[in-house]
Amino acid sequence: DVVMMQPPLSPPVSLGQAASISCNSSQSLVHSDGNTYLSWLHQRPGQPPRLLIYKISNRFSGVPDRFSGSGAGTDFTLKISRVEPEDVGIYYCTQSTYFPRTFGPGTKVDIK
Amino acid sequence: DVQLVQSRGGLVQPGMSLRLSCEVSGFTFNDYSFNWLRQAPGRGLEWVSAIGPKGDRTYYADSVKGRFTISRDNSKATLYLQMNNLRVDDTALYYCTPMALDYWGQGTQVIVSA
Repeated sequence: DVVMMQPPLSPPVSLGQAASISCNSSQSLVHSDGNTYLSWLHQRPGQPPRLLIYKISNRFSGVPDRFSGSGAGTDFTLKISRVEPEDVGIYYCTQSTYFPRTFGPGTKVDIK
Repeated sequence: DVQLVQSRGGLVQPGMSLRLSCEVSGFTFNDYSFNWLRQAPGRGLEWVSAIGPKGDRTYYADSVKGRFTISRDNSKATLYLQMNNLRVDDTALYYCTPMALDYWGQGTQVIVSA
């Protein structure tokens, strides 16, 4: 199975500051169809996860434009340009290029 | 609005069975494949099972193969997960989602304990 790796914690950020979360995969996530099926999820305490980004950099409907995704191959990054209070929680990267879908362990984001 | 409403979970003893359901609305249920995912207490997300739009293709994680059965009733827009021979390490919050993870149920708590 593809192993997804994330740091467990992101350095605490102040409100309005930028945050960046990294994700690495054990093999390239480029599918034979040319797409890279790497998504980002956000989970607030006590809530189900919600989809933020799909195919590396596409924001899901209703996701604020302060969230952006980038990367290629095995290295990916989620950036929050200006952190707001509701952005705290755990961020997961996940791949569905290969079966079975696998998830990173999650990165916790806290406000300083 | 898209809604995925999951059944209530429960506390069961090891070796027992439980069936989860997930009723979908506001969504063309028949056109999409669906997943069950789970999240053990204080842990990350784990893919459990998936089913194609017609229900003729099913997939399972090795950890549940032979014990869990995924199914769907397209006439009722409902997804199911039949869990047999439950083990303590199946204890988790179970979520139903479409394959793209774009919508989520509220989660069903399953506790397996003697």
